[in-house]
Amino acid sequence: NAGVMQNPRHLVRRRGQEARLRCSPMKGHSHVYWYRQLPEEGLKFMVYLQKENIIDESGMPKERFSAEFPKEGPSILRIQQVVRGDSAAYFCASSPAGEIFRFGGYTFGSGTRLTVV
Amino acid sequence: SQQGEEDPQALSIQEGENATMNCSYKTSINNLQWYRQNSGRGLVHLILIRSNEREKHSGRLRVTLDTSKKSSSLLITASRAADTASYFCATDAGTGFQKLVFGTGTRLLVSP
Repeated sequence: NAGVMQNPRHLVRRRGQEARLRCSPMKGHSHVYWYRQLPEEGLKFMVYLQKENIIDESGMPKERFSAEFPKEGPSILRIQQVVRGDSAAYFCASSPAGEIFRFGGYTFGSGTRLTVV
Repeated sequence: SQQGEEDPQALSIQEGENATMNCSYKTSINNLQWYRQNSGRGLVHLILIRSNEREKHSGRLRVTLDTSKKSSSLLITASRAADTASYFCATDAGTGFQKLVFGTGTRLLVSP
């Protein structure tokens, strides 16, 4: 039973290009979360999705960032026209449905490290 | 200040010693979790404690929660070099179960 799979592990983009980050949740998990981590900082919530639905995107920048979790396939975090400030580690987590204390904690992927040059 | 703040920011100890990390938060919570992050890797869930619990154990880990002081502590007993990592507390900040608010972490170094 593979864990949360994120790819690519490292991504280098030039300013103005688009970055696409993929996340495949654990088998049986229907909820996906994206977090961003800047160097030497904790994770910051970006967006929470269920299949074909964005439940909470309160942490997403208003422009250039979008996320989806289609019926089939992985969840995608898309950053358009990247800038240097977008350089960070982006982590995806997944969980089953239900209250968190019933399943313990979230399962995180190993992250995608985005570098904008 | 962030919802979760860990103290100390960095901790250096010898193998076999105990390591204690503290976390303070600002709002009411339903639960608090601790995660470990090895350098360059994702987060690994360690333990979850609910707001109506005061203490919880898991192997060499002991977590306490004091909701009146809005604080939690993580104790790692008989530390090992493999415990070297950053440790983060995370709460739901009363916003619901599905969005976590992380602190800035404690970097633990355990020397052989």
